[in-house]
Amino acid sequence: KAGVTQTPRYLIKTRGQQVTLSCSPISGHRSVSWYQQTPGQGLQFLFEYFSETQRNKGNFPGRFSGRQFSNSRSEMNVSTLELGDSALYLCASSSWTSGRTDTQYFGPGTRLTVL
Amino acid sequence: TQLLEQSPQFLSIQEGENLTVYCNSSSVFSSLQWYRQEPGEGPVLLVTVVTGGEVKKLKRLTFQFGDARKDSSLHITAAQPGDTGLYLCAGDYNFNKFYFGSGTKLNVKP
Repeated sequence: KAGVTQTPRYLIKTRGQQVTLSCSPISGHRSVSWYQQTPGQGLQFLFEYFSETQRNKGNFPGRFSGRQFSNSRSEMNVSTLELGDSALYLCASSSWTSGRTDTQYFGPGTRLTVL
Repeated sequence: TQLLEQSPQFLSIQEGENLTVYCNSSSVFSSLQWYRQEPGEGPVLLVTVVTGGEVKKLKRLTFQFGDARKDSSLHITAAQPGDTGLYLCAGDYNFNKFYFGSGTKLNVKP
């Protein structure tokens, strides 16, 4: 099975711009989660989508949004970029079975730099 | 404020030494996971512990979940350079809503 893929791998933007990141989960996985990883804050949960619905949400401002398509692919959007948004954005997919924790498989991440 | 505190933050040891990494929280988690992340890659799951007091072994790695399901430890016996990486613990707060610790950066010198 192909792993989780994320595009692009690297991105450079300037303050005020917006950006869209893409994640293709493992085939058959319906849950996609997004995380932000920075040296100072570590790995922080952004949100989780399951069957095109946002099911869980972390504590990030509304500038961070996402969506999931019927084929389970997911996109994450950040509007009005700030310098502090520079980070590695990780996507994880899982098959998710009701009532228990499933294994999350992470992609390699998208490295976003905001200048 | 981190929901999960990991210690130590950095660890540099010689090949063959033993080490223990700790993950502590004031919250109860339904399960706790340990990951290892190498530069330029996403975290890779090592183990999931679910039951309080549970101990799992993965070759030279031993994982323990605290009785109250608030803390966990990872013990590595006879560390090897291939064990070098960032070790992360993650607590499952609401079925697939995970909180990660700040990580322990391990360097094993040959």
